[in-house]
Amino acid sequence: AQKITQTQPGMFVQEKEAVTLDCTYDTSDPSYGLFWYKQPSSGEMIFLIYQGSYDQQNATEGRYSLNFQKARKSANLVISASQLGDSAMYFCAMRETLYNQGGKLIFGQGTELSVKP
Amino acid sequence: KAGVTQTPRYLIKTRGQQVTLSCSPISGHRSVSWYQQTPGQGLQFLFEYFSETQRNKGNFPGRFSGRQFSNSRSEMNVSTLELGDSALYLCASSLRTGGLITEAFFGQGTRLTVV
Repeated sequence: AQKITQTQPGMFVQEKEAVTLDCTYDTSDPSYGLFWYKQPSSGEMIFLIYQGSYDQQNATEGRYSLNFQKARKSANLVISASQLGDSAMYFCAMRETLYNQGGKLIFGQGTELSVKP
Repeated sequence: KAGVTQTPRYLIKTRGQQVTLSCSPISGHRSVSWYQQTPGQGLQFLFEYFSETQRNKGNFPGRFSGRQFSNSRSEMNVSTLELGDSALYLCASSLRTGGLITEAFFGQGTRLTVV
């Protein structure tokens, strides 16, 4: 069963504007972590931000913030003040803590973000 | 400190051959996970190694195997290559395998082409 859903295959945003990339997840594990990664055309997966299921506050890392709505099972990534270098694929991933005793990550299908000058 | 290093970056192999990919995790990280990325299937978990032991395994045939050495470096082997094995293979490095993991760092990947 698909556990991570990214419904936006591709998105455009104007440089310097904010953009929200959607991610919904499905799990019955009460303890889990959510990750966002950026993958430029070079292929490397760049870790952006992490949110734990028990974290009371939304995670932030520089221009990245995570809009975590636990009841709705959504973990949207917000990028403020978009830059041309933000153009890339973005992946949402989840790690279940109790049901998965290891470090396995489950990924969504990704959203391709294009920043227009 | 150095990041996750994967070698080689690119490989071209012929059907039926075997291939070995290498991953050196971040210093101090003991967990190494491997993923296959293809346009059709996306990112799929292959297996995870921690302290030289396989901890998790994804739904891949036995042709896919791996191991981890005492210095936490890991290798992944694919035998009897098929055209469908063409993919970007990524490895991820984490401090531990269980409990709270707040970071997982990936290497640049090895792009394997099977002809």
